[in-house]
Amino acid sequence: QKEVEQNSGPLSVPEGAIASLNCTYSDRGSQSFFWYRQYSGKSPELIMFIYSNGDKEDGRFTAQLNKASQYVSLLIRDSQPSDSATYLCAFRGGQNFVFGPGTRLSVLP
Amino acid sequence: DTEVTQTPKHLVMGMTNKKSLKCEQHMGHRAMYWYKQKAKKPPELMFVYSYEKLSINESVPSRFSPECPNSSLLNLHLHALQPEDSALYLCASSQAGVETQYFGPGTRLLVL
Repeated sequence: QKEVEQNSGPLSVPEGAIASLNCTYSDRGSQSFFWYRQYSGKSPELIMFIYSNGDKEDGRFTAQLNKASQYVSLLIRDSQPSDSATYLCAFRGGQNFVFGPGTRLSVLP
Repeated sequence: DTEVTQTPKHLVMGMTNKKSLKCEQHMGHRAMYWYKQKAKKPPELMFVYSYEKLSINESVPSRFSPECPNSSLLNLHLHALQPEDSALYLCASSQAGVETQYFGPGTRLLVL
């Protein structure tokens, strides 16, 4: 069973703080990992993907992957109220694309 | 351009109706996907088409029938649906051999 686990939240952080979102996965064969953001009533929007161990930065977002620990995280620096959304972790498991349950982030002004 | 379009945006249908959802992309992607998403749940994969051939069917009931007329279009034909099929139906596409998926805006379906 290919599974992804995330803390469902809600995770509340003050504006300007760093938000840290975590995800663990069960399939050791997974090679590619994705973070999507989904606003209420909207479709998922790709934020970042990461294939290699280590960090990948894009603007205010940093994805971190540790394949040995089967762990991937997303850091959001200088969090803004507009970052308030559900963040979905996903990975490719064979031909399937598996989503985690999502973490609800609330950035408080 | 990473746009995937879906029509209609909203659909209300009775349990005896037949309707179709449409999805289109012009990014040259050769893999297309249908997902179902219930409120406060993650998207659930339904079907995958790769090079216009059905490659994954996640044990979806036969009242859902996918069709891929060409590399840019993906349809989902609906017949005799149940109220529990009410959900947001998402289409996505990706380059063949590249896993990053791009989602359309979705069709919100209500079955009465």
